Amino acid sequence: GDSVTQMEGPVTLSEEAFLTINCTYTATGYPSLFWYVQYPGEGLQLLLKATKADDKGSNKGFEATYRKETTSFHLEKGSVQVSDSAVYFCALIRYSSASKIIFGSGTRLSIRP
Amino acid sequence: GAVVSQHPSRVICKSGTSVKIECRSLDFQATTMFWYRQFPKQSLMLMATSNEGSKATYEQGVEKDKFLINHASLTLSTLTVTSAHPEDSSFYICSAREAGQSLDTDTQYFGPGTRLTVL
Repeated sequence: GDSVTQMEGPVTLSEEAFLTINCTYTATGYPSLFWYVQYPGEGLQLLLKATKADDKGSNKGFEATYRKETTSFHLEKGSVQVSDSAVYFCALIRYSSASKIIFGSGTRLSIRP
Repeated sequence: GAVVSQHPSRVICKSGTSVKIECRSLDFQATTMFWYRQFPKQSLMLMATSNEGSKATYEQGVEKDKFLINHASLTLSTLTVTSAHPEDSSFYICSAREAGQSLDTDTQYFGPGTRLTVL
């Protein structure tokens, strides 16, 4: 079945460091890919998405490119801030009548001032 | 943006009792709501999909008689954990899909979650 694998955390970085959180997926067909973020005490929020191969999703300085050849959707940010501290979830969906989201296990990111 | 609330945010109950968790879409109508369960350091696992006015569709391995789901209106779905036991302790998260969206622009809005502890 469909699945998402992302790097285990926690990840701790200093402010202004470069961030990469790896995500790979297994799915039949052509899923859409997402990154969700969960800030402390809040619900999941959609951070960015890509719906087809080679698409790049971007938001708030974060980027991820849909790589079908490597089945990956790695999240990157050039210069992280303390306010980026959160849990990040990679996810996929294959649109159908069910439209179920499959989540990765989440990566906790902590940014030191 | 769209907001989904859950109530309560935390609940502690004794083994054998039932607990109801509410999920509300505050500023939009949701034809479909989803219920997830999250164990520590693990993925969100979809438990069931609920459509307004009809019976919920449960994922394989989820006991529908234990996790009762009701979606009586376009803004409210409830999950009742019946005869709760310590192994039901978990973080329960709901999400809601706005009415009228086409499948390929699907956006789900998530609630903040409810932490259930069964003693």
